Amino acid sequence: KQEVTQIPAALSVPEGENLVLNCSFTDSAIYNLQWFRQDPGKGLTSLLLIQSSQREQTSGRLNASLDKSSGRSTLYIAASQPGDSATYLCAVTGNTDKLIFGTGTRLQVFP
Amino acid sequence: GAVVSQHPSWVICKSGTSVKIECRSLDFQATTMFWYRQFPKQSLMLMATSNEGSKATYEQGVEKDKFLINHASLTLSTLTVTSAHPEDSSFYICSSFDRARPFTEAFFGQGTRLTVV
Repeated sequence: KQEVTQIPAALSVPEGENLVLNCSFTDSAIYNLQWFRQDPGKGLTSLLLIQSSQREQTSGRLNASLDKSSGRSTLYIAASQPGDSATYLCAVTGNTDKLIFGTGTRLQVFP
Repeated sequence: GAVVSQHPSWVICKSGTSVKIECRSLDFQATTMFWYRQFPKQSLMLMATSNEGSKATYEQGVEKDKFLINHASLTLSTLTVTSAHPEDSSFYICSSFDRARPFTEAFFGQGTRLTVV
């Protein structure tokens, strides 16, 4: 059974810092990995999608890497801003299209 | 990108009543719809997978008679919480993908905040 864990569970940093959020999964037989952002009481916003054959994806200040063989992904946020405050979720897809979500990282960026 | 429209965004109901949540795919055919539940400060947990025209598949521990799922068309799936109780209060969210592009980006509805009083 696939299990997805995210570290740290919570993070509070001053504005401007570069951040690394970690995601690990137990079954490396995945098709892709997705990073999402969730604001309090809201739905999900897709940030980045990495196919299993890819090593990384970039969008603006966000960069996500994937090491499928070791079951790890990292989300790098450059020059963090207060508007980046949210919960970040990673999710993996296996051969059934189901997304298995990680435990989430609650990020707070203060001015 | 593809859009999944979920309604209502929030609902308050009395204990013992039933609540229906709808998810519509607006610009693609949602052959499969996934239903998730999220309790406060927890991650999303998959409840069930529905396929158009067939019975839903429920995850272990999810009562199929309590959470009725209907997926009668390629653009509409519904989740009905029957005889709701306060412990059913949660955030429910649906997800699907474009069948023309499987194993790509998943699209989510806006979510439904259910409060049972």
